[in-house]
Amino acid sequence: QKEVEQNSGPLSVPEGAIASLNCTYSDRGSQSFFWYRQYSGKSPELIMFIYSNGDKEDGRFTAQLNKASQYVSLLIRDSQPSDSATYLCATEYGNKLVFGAGTILRVKS
Amino acid sequence: DVKVTQSSRYLVKRTGEKVFLECVQDMDHENMFWYRQDPGLGLRLIYFSYDVKMKEKGDIPEGYSVSREKKERFSLILESASTNQTSMYLCASSSPDSNQPQHFGDGTRLSIL
Repeated sequence: QKEVEQNSGPLSVPEGAIASLNCTYSDRGSQSFFWYRQYSGKSPELIMFIYSNGDKEDGRFTAQLNKASQYVSLLIRDSQPSDSATYLCATEYGNKLVFGAGTILRVKS
Repeated sequence: DVKVTQSSRYLVKRTGEKVFLECVQDMDHENMFWYRQDPGLGLRLIYFSYDVKMKEKGDIPEGYSVSREKKERFSLILESASTNQTSMYLCASSSPDSNQPQHFGDGTRLSIL
């Protein structure tokens, strides 16, 4: 059974701080990882994906992948109240994605 | 941009009814998926399809069936709705190529009374 684990939170950070969201996965063979953001009552929207070890940056977002330790993280710099949402980590398994349960992020102004 | 459209945002049905949830995508994606999402349980895969008339069970297929008669359309059917099927239902589609993300519709919040 492929598993993706996330701390459910909530993770509370002040406005302007760096929010760090973490995810671990059980299948050492997992190759690709996706971060989705989901606002309350809305559907998940893709923020970033990462396939290679190391960091990938896109604006205020940085995804970090460490395959040896089997974790992937998402850093949000200069956090804004509009970043308050649930963040879902997912990894590919065949043609499917396996999702974590998500971490609730609250950015306080 | 990928567009995945679910037929209803909110739906209220009665116990025992047969319920149809429709999903259409406009990106010619081979793969389509149906999930349900419940508080504390995350996204759970009900069924998926990787081609027309093809379907595979996900993690929680009991009480559901699906239909994929055309590439762009994937229907979820609740054969005899029960109150424990009250949930948010999400449809998604993706390309079959490796490392491709899934794109989600807006979701259908289904209440079974």
